[in-house]
Amino acid sequence: DTEVTQTPKHLVMGMTNKKSLKCEQHMGHRAMYWYKQKAKKPPELMFVYSYEKLSINESVPSRFSPECPNSSLLNLHLHALQPEDSALYLCASSRGTPDNQPQHFGDGTRLSIL
Amino acid sequence: QKEVEQDPGPLSVPEGAIVSLNCTYSNSAFQYFMWYRQYSRKGPELLMYTYSSGNKEDGRFTAQVDKSSKYISLFIRDSQPSDSATYLCAFNSGNTPLVFGKGTRLSVIA
Repeated sequence: DTEVTQTPKHLVMGMTNKKSLKCEQHMGHRAMYWYKQKAKKPPELMFVYSYEKLSINESVPSRFSPECPNSSLLNLHLHALQPEDSALYLCASSRGTPDNQPQHFGDGTRLSIL
Repeated sequence: QKEVEQDPGPLSVPEGAIVSLNCTYSNSAFQYFMWYRQYSRKGPELLMYTYSSGNKEDGRFTAQVDKSSKYISLFIRDSQPSDSATYLCAFNSGNTPLVFGKGTRLSVIA
């Protein structure tokens, strides 16, 4: 079991649905990240929050909307996704500001877009 | 030249073998060096983290960093079938995103 918890583990949604992915950590980390990972590829960075403020947005389409309600929680709101958005979505956290501490990952949400 | 090069494998070894996994990098600014292990349908798990040249040992795992050659290695001694996974090297230079290698798929055959 990892110390970064992601829910749900699996999500199937249609292109017109709205859903949210959730991530929680209780390690006192102040930086949190969203990554997208396609099969047999390394994780690709999407967003970084540092001290609950968005510090990096890697040119992600607006159909992905991150939110950091507090230092322990990170959400990713999904709307009008495309089939190519099907992937494993990983949350990670690290102790300090990005990225001079090792990142710890959750087990991800496997997202399928119909 | 790519920033990070990692042979994707697959690498297949018999149980008990010593495994050597390698990455080369071109960015001299990289200060932090990591190895992650990722099992199928799981997130990457941090195995080793170091910021200096030399060796770091943790059980059956040894991470080696050679900054002058821009080369890092992960050695696995007495490999077990449970070591079968994808191994990702990762780098950063402080205040910049992690840069991952493509990952090496390892199979340890009993």
